[in-house]
Amino acid sequence: SYVLTQSPSVSVAPGKTARLTCEGDNIGSKSVHWYQQKAGQAPVLVVYDDSARPSGIPERLSGSNSGNTATLTINRVEAGDEADYYCQVWDGFSDGVFGGGTKLTVL
Amino acid sequence: QVQLVQSGAEVKKPGASVKVSCKASGYTFSSHAMHWVRQAPGQRLEWMAWIKPGNGDTKYSQKFQGRVTITWDTSASTAYMELSSLTSEDTAVYYCVRGFYSSSQRTNWFDPWGQGTLVTVSS
Repeated sequence: SYVLTQSPSVSVAPGKTARLTCEGDNIGSKSVHWYQQKAGQAPVLVVYDDSARPSGIPERLSGSNSGNTATLTINRVEAGDEADYYCQVWDGFSDGVFGGGTKLTVL
Repeated sequence: QVQLVQSGAEVKKPGASVKVSCKASGYTFSSHAMHWVRQAPGQRLEWMAWIKPGNGDTKYSQKFQGRVTITWDTSASTAYMELSSLTSEDTAVYYCVRGFYSSSQRTNWFDPWGQGTLVTVSS
């Protein structure tokens, strides 16, 4: 089955840039989606199809995908960005696959 | 606005079954697949199954094949997920999620998510 690997935690100071990675075998050939889950809440889609943003998601959040790594970049990090972030792909054999999640801490 | 409202928390004994409902509003129910995803404590999100209300197609994760049944009621814009032969490993929050499909990318993504239903399996 297809496996997605995310760093367990990332810490960043307010106003700085956070880069959250999602690694998978040749993930650049797949379409990657990202979800934000704040404590006690359901996940929210923040990036789909590698780099597209749903309406209402600020431009500070952006996605990229190449080779074996997809990246969610959050510019000018704010306290409200503190959350768990999950990447997801759709695989022909494994169907819906999620990464283990990265906990973003704003210092 | 698009909204998915799920049924309330459940406590079940091992070996029992649970049925969770998900009522959709704000869009045409039959125009999108409905997926089910669960999140066990400390575990990653886990895709379970989908149903396409427009044509009745269903697909189940191999992990849950034989234990999960997805049904729907178009007139009520409601999908249901039933999981049988429960064990403590099935203790989790279960989410229904509207699916979006891209044929060019052969991918599905999920938006929005229901509020989640906590299912606790305990003797």
